[in-house]
Amino acid sequence: AQKVTQAQTEISVVEKEDVTLDCVYETRDTTYYLFWYKQPPSGELVFLIRRNSFDEQNEISGRYSWNFQKSTSSFNFTITASQVVDSAVYFCALSPSYGGSQGNLIFGKGTKLSVKP
Amino acid sequence: KAGVTQTPRYLIKTRGQQVTLSCSPISGHRSVSWYQQTPGQGLQFLFEYFSETQRNKGNFPGRFSGRQFSNSRSEMNVSTLELGDSALYLCASSLGGQGRTPLHFGNGTRLTVT
Repeated sequence: AQKVTQAQTEISVVEKEDVTLDCVYETRDTTYYLFWYKQPPSGELVFLIRRNSFDEQNEISGRYSWNFQKSTSSFNFTITASQVVDSAVYFCALSPSYGGSQGNLIFGKGTKLSVKP
Repeated sequence: KAGVTQTPRYLIKTRGQQVTLSCSPISGHRSVSWYQQTPGQGLQFLFEYFSETQRNKGNFPGRFSGRQFSNSRSEMNVSTLELGDSALYLCASSLGGQGRTPLHFGNGTRLTVT
């Protein structure tokens, strides 16, 4: 079965703190894709990053960084020096590799991040 | 470039009625997917359309249906509405070619069934 688990339901931090959002996935596919999305109060899901299962390099984009470890089936997301604007619900998602379908993402339940000034 | 546009933003319907939601994808995107988001179940995949054909379908009853037009715009229909259909319905578009290009989501339609 394919599954994504985000164990942290809610996290609250004070501005400028670093915060890591955990994501653990389950799949029997050897080829798959992982994503992170951000959902601000407006409701729109905003794409943050995509990672191919063959690419285990960590990635840094400004204050955001991602740690992908196949050995532990984890794809964690760290925000450095958090800001109030980072407050949102963050979703980790898995894309199965079968067929040509791209639209079927399996989402975790999300982690609600609140950054207080 | 305009993003994914969903209409209407809000809907209130009564049990037993039917509803149609509309989605206009990003220009050039040929794949449109629909998701239902509820506090209890989270984000669940409904179906995906590519070049007017349903390419994949989630585990939802037949009351949920969709279609895609030649200009890639998509509609989703829910018949015989139930209270449990109250949710945020999100549409997403992507290029739809090889690989897993990111989905770009609209703001959603919030459906309330009373």
